[in-house]
Amino acid sequence: SYELTQPLSVSVSLGQTARITCGGNYIGGKNVHWYQQKPGQAPVLVIYTDKNRPSGIPERFSGSSSGNTATLTISRAQAGDEADYYCHVWDSGTVVFGGGTKFTVL
Amino acid sequence: EVRLVQSGAEVKKPGESLKISCKGSGYDFTNYWIGWVRQMPGKGLEWMGMIYPGDSDTTYSPSFEGQVAMSADKSISTAYLQWSSLRASDTAMYYCARRNCGGDCSWEYWGQGTLVTVSS
Repeated sequence: SYELTQPLSVSVSLGQTARITCGGNYIGGKNVHWYQQKPGQAPVLVIYTDKNRPSGIPERFSGSSSGNTATLTISRAQAGDEADYYCHVWDSGTVVFGGGTKFTVL
Repeated sequence: EVRLVQSGAEVKKPGESLKISCKGSGYDFTNYWIGWVRQMPGKGLEWMGMIYPGDSDTTYSPSFEGQVAMSADKSISTAYLQWSSLRASDTAMYYCARRNCGGDCSWEYWGQGTLVTVSS
């Protein structure tokens, strides 16, 4: 079965740029979606189909994907961006989630 | 406004049955797949499967096939997730989500979650 690998944690200083990776075999050939989950809340879609932002998601959130790695980039990180982030792809008609990354702003 | 509203928290004993619900509003409920996601305490998201309310077609994750049942009543815009015999390991938060396909399919709208606690 297809697996997605995310770092357990990523931290950056306030105002800096953060990159959260999602590794998978030839993931660049798939469409990758990203979700943000704050403590005690439901997940929120922040990037769909590699690089698109849903309405209401700040431009500071962007996505890219190539080769075996997809990346969620958070520019000018704010304290309010602290959350768990999950990547997601479809494989053989089923959903695969990454293990999640805890993002902290120092 | 698209909304998914889930039923309230449940406390059950092992071996009991349970059915939780997810009511959609603000869109044509019959035309979008509804997925279910489990999140065990302190853990990540696990996809359980999905149902198409228009014809009740279902796709289950291999990990959950035979462990749960998904159904839908399109007349009241509600999807269900059901257990016939709960185990302590079913203790988790369960989310429903609506699939949206634009280029590819993501889970664009989420319910608030239903906390299920199974304990003797």
